[in-house]
Amino acid sequence: QQQVKQSPQSLIVQKGGISIINCAYENTAFDYFPWYQQFPGKGPALLIAIRPDVSEKKEGRFTISFNKSAKQFSLHIMDSQPGDSATYFCAARPNNNDMRFGAGTRLTVKP
Amino acid sequence: DAGITQSPRHKVTETGTPVTLRCHQTENHRYMYWYRQDPGHGLRLIHYSYGVKDTDKGEVSDGYSVSRSKTEDFLLTLESATSSQTSVYFCAISADRGRGYTFGSGTRLTVV
Repeated sequence: QQQVKQSPQSLIVQKGGISIINCAYENTAFDYFPWYQQFPGKGPALLIAIRPDVSEKKEGRFTISFNKSAKQFSLHIMDSQPGDSATYFCAARPNNNDMRFGAGTRLTVKP
Repeated sequence: DAGITQSPRHKVTETGTPVTLRCHQTENHRYMYWYRQDPGHGLRLIHYSYGVKDTDKGEVSDGYSVSRSKTEDFLLTLESATSSQTSVYFCAISADRGRGYTFGSGTRLTVV
């Protein structure tokens, strides 16, 4: 069963716009929330991660927002570029256990 | 990807035949994982290993077995391939359980 629900399934954004991908989790024992980026023909690669004691983490144009009470976290991509077109996965790790992944969001950034 | 290699990259096999996929790492990481990726399901854990000869089942382990006789190699075997096992298989490694995964480039398996 999927413990991490990700939306939307696909997203189309114009160049320069903001891309927002949302995830919700069910298990309050999750203690680590990463986002992975996957290009066609490649394996997923860690993009950015956050711990539940932090409400926001920013790395360049990528920001994770975390709402512990709502059990939700989201990825914001500012000034989206065509090179950001990829599939994005959120994930969550139960305490010291194995990662649970969302179903993925295919992002297309149009020039 | 640096430090982790999967082979083969592509394979077509017939229903009922055994298939073995290989994951090789040069990072000396303790944890190794096998995932399958299917549209609408994301990445689902098949089996994982936390050391030589120490393996355990993930959420979709039926029809799969694994072996890890050396730190660097983690083999995934489909004992008798079925069409439902057509998928892209990814191996991942990590030094800490459940964190900092590095994924391989994947094996696209087609069972006809």
